[in-house]
Amino acid sequence: SQTIHQWPATLVQPVGSPLSLECTVEGTSNPNLYWYRQAAGRGLQLLFYSVGIGQISSEVPQNLSASRPQDRQFILSSKKLLLSDSGFYLCAWSAGQGIQPQHFGDGTRLSIL
Amino acid sequence: AQSVAQPEDQVNVAEGNPLTVKCTYSVSGNPYLFWYVQYPNRGLQFLLKYITGDNLVKGSYGFEAEFNKSQTSFHLKKPSALVSDSALYFCAVRGSGNTGKLIFGQGTTLQVKP
Repeated sequence: SQTIHQWPATLVQPVGSPLSLECTVEGTSNPNLYWYRQAAGRGLQLLFYSVGIGQISSEVPQNLSASRPQDRQFILSSKKLLLSDSGFYLCAWSAGQGIQPQHFGDGTRLSIL
Repeated sequence: AQSVAQPEDQVNVAEGNPLTVKCTYSVSGNPYLFWYVQYPNRGLQFLLKYITGDNLVKGSYGFEAEFNKSQTSFHLKKPSALVSDSALYFCAVRGSGNTGKLIFGQGTTLQVKP
């Protein structure tokens, strides 16, 4: 069966520090991959999605970037964190056909001090 | 453009009573609709989807959803609520293109009281 892993579960970082969050999927190949941010336990904001290795689409301009160095690995990065980057970051995957559901990891709670 | 609306921020029901969480959508073309549940500090869990076929879709944990094309609605239902159903519920519609992107509603908090 397919599984998705995100780490770390929680992270506290100072303003101006770099960031790297990792997401890996097991049990499937060529998944679509997604990064979301959720503020205050409410709506989801899609940050990036990827339909293949090295293919990244950004949904909103921001201080973050994403990379997909391997088929089932998706990384969210920042060179210098801002206070506004605080939030709950969720990674998800879906099969490639577009009518399949997305499946989510358990998220990373990021606090910026 | 595709969009989805959840008109209620919170729904309160007593344990054992039926529950309904509302969702309306706007799409060009065929609607592909999804419901998810989120417990505190966890990711979203897929409950059910409507792609085509029967208007009543059955999903996980006893939930079902009724697709109504004329009212452009996809309400989530359960005949008898449990306290453990208390969580945040999201309705979603597939975005345009073939990327698998979903457009999520703002979420509805379901509170089931004993």
